[in-house]
Amino acid sequence: GAVVSQHPSWVICKSGTSVKIECRSLDFQATTMFWYRQFPKQSLMLMATSNEGSKATYEQGVEKDKFLINHASLTLSTLTVTSAHPEDSSFYICSAGPGAGNTIYFGEGSWLTVV
Amino acid sequence: TQLLEQSPQFLSIQEGENLTVYCNSSSVFSSLQWYRQEPGEGPVLLVTVVTGGEVKKLKRLTFQFGDARKDSSLHITAAQPGDTGLYLCAGEKVGNFNKFYFGSGTKLNVKP
Repeated sequence: GAVVSQHPSWVICKSGTSVKIECRSLDFQATTMFWYRQFPKQSLMLMATSNEGSKATYEQGVEKDKFLINHASLTLSTLTVTSAHPEDSSFYICSAGPGAGNTIYFGEGSWLTVV
Repeated sequence: TQLLEQSPQFLSIQEGENLTVYCNSSSVFSSLQWYRQEPGEGPVLLVTVVTGGEVKKLKRLTFQFGDARKDSSLHITAAQPGDTGLYLCAGEKVGNFNKFYFGSGTKLNVKP
């Protein structure tokens, strides 16, 4: 079964609103979680690294004020897309680690559609 | 620009054929992983290679890590329609534990 869970799997929101996506590690404590974005027919692009108890570090070109990341516990990180626009529509995937075997695990992904 | 470039981008072959996907970079990686992803799902890990020159086999799939740990290849023997999917390599940069950057992806279609 999944060891990293994302919620919601699908979300549709109106342009200008904010939406929150959760990433949970189910049976291990994740000191680090990573957030990726994937546009249709493209690869995964790393957005940010989320460390428990500290500020997230963002990759170049990713707006930290638009994509708010909170890693308040060892099992939960949240990504909030603020003032969403249609161009933010994408597949958002998180990974968490280190899990068993000192490896990382990916969530199932969350589809965001902004209308 | 992509840290890891994959080639080819698209590959459409007949069942039973062999194929090789390449993953290249100018950066050195602590480890490199290969994933397969189905539409609308998260990527599924196929293999992790950590040693330069390492070769790993997973049934009909053979993975190789370059000697300098900058590149990798995935070879599939006698491809089957079930191999269809998006293949992604991902490199863990030196000094960045568990932080993986993904390649540009290779979309494979195996026709019956």
